[in-house]
Amino acid sequence: EAQVTQNPRYLITVTGKKLTVTCSQNMNHEYMSWYRQDPGLGLRQIYYSMNVEVTDKGDVPEGYKVSRKEKRNFPLILESPSPNQTSLYFCASSLSRSGNTIYFGEGSWLTVV
Amino acid sequence: EDQVTQSPEALRLQEGESSSLNCSYTVSGLRGLFWYRQDPGKGPEFLFTLYSAGEEKEKERLKATLTKKESFLHITAPKPEDSATYLCAVQAYRDDKIIFGKGTRLHILP
Repeated sequence: EAQVTQNPRYLITVTGKKLTVTCSQNMNHEYMSWYRQDPGLGLRQIYYSMNVEVTDKGDVPEGYKVSRKEKRNFPLILESPSPNQTSLYFCASSLSRSGNTIYFGEGSWLTVV
Repeated sequence: EDQVTQSPEALRLQEGESSSLNCSYTVSGLRGLFWYRQDPGKGPEFLFTLYSAGEEKEKERLKATLTKKESFLHITAPKPEDSATYLCAVQAYRDDKIIFGKGTRLHILP
């Protein structure tokens, strides 16, 4: 079954404690991205990756890092989380960046206190 | 600036009461317009992609249409299980950036 898998699904952490949200897809997709979804603001892209070792900033990259060492994995790293990073995060993948269906993971609820 | 505006923000319908959701967009060179369904606490689920004005696509009770300025998601004889948030997104040729609207929350009453 085609899937985008994120972990953890739910996390409460404290300000400044580094955390990583993992993302893995089994569709051999080249393009992967991270979004955050906040009430009233909709989905906003954080970072994206066109392929292995190729990453770029989206609309709201501040406070986040990513890496793409393998095609299937695209972890999101919060080096020093702050309360304004409390949000619902989605990993997504598609065959390429242009005009293809985007498949989303189930989401990761992150609360920073 | 590229923009996507969805209306209404929320819509309550009786079961069987057909209606339409609107997605107005401003983009220089539309590569594609996407519709997604999102259930509470879940990831968006793909419904349709439309590429050019005049195109229509259907799936069960849903039908998506596209003009040069807007797209409609028509829901015919909806059932309670159609309750969800429906998201519209556009992608421009210029930079391939995808912009999502804020969604329409649809609630179908039994």
